[in-house]
Amino acid sequence: TQLLEQSPQFLSIQEGENLTVYCNSSSVFSSLQWYRQEPGEGPVLLVTVVTGGEVKKLKRLTFQFGDARKDSSLHITAAQPGDTGLYLCAGEEAAGNKLTFGGGTRVLVKP
Amino acid sequence: DAGVIQSPRHEVTEMGQEVTLRCKPISGHNSLFWYRQTMMRGLELLIYFNNNVPIDDSGMPEDRFSAKMPNASFSTLKIQPSEPRDSAVYFCASTGTDNYGYTFGSGTRLTVV
Repeated sequence: TQLLEQSPQFLSIQEGENLTVYCNSSSVFSSLQWYRQEPGEGPVLLVTVVTGGEVKKLKRLTFQFGDARKDSSLHITAAQPGDTGLYLCAGEEAAGNKLTFGGGTRVLVKP
Repeated sequence: DAGVIQSPRHEVTEMGQEVTLRCKPISGHNSLFWYRQTMMRGLELLIYFNNNVPIDDSGMPEDRFSAKMPNASFSTLKIQPSEPRDSAVYFCASTGTDNYGYTFGSGTRLTVV
């Protein structure tokens, strides 16, 4: 089983501050996905990164896939209360489309 | 598209009772996944289907759990008999051949008392 570790587990910041969430594994993934989950709802896909070293931007969110395709990071610039939620990374195994999820990082952005 | 539809949203049942959770994937998606989420263990894959065929059920905790996908538009997860430790949020997700991420349902919050 390929494991994904996320850090930190919990992050509380003030509106306007920046934050970074990390997702690490000893295994190589064919792709890595980031999801955000709000209370009472299922996770919602934010981005998929496929190529080692790839960087994708989604407004104030920047996602990076490590060169070796074992790790990823999510950086949020000037966080807003609407960014509050559980952020999950998920790695896709080479064979098939089965995803393994990390434990999640709970982000709280205070106004 | 209405997205992945799960029912019921909430289920409270007594220990020993049978519980059936239902899922309707997005039309055209050929893969369906059942996950369980708890605070302690996060999101755990229970079973997944490709083209209605179970591919990997290694995450199903015990024989008390079973899942079926009789056609491309419907799947069930059954727990019989249920136990308090089965209390969790159960999610269904689907994805298509382009495999651009999963679409999750809103989940079923199961409480076994």
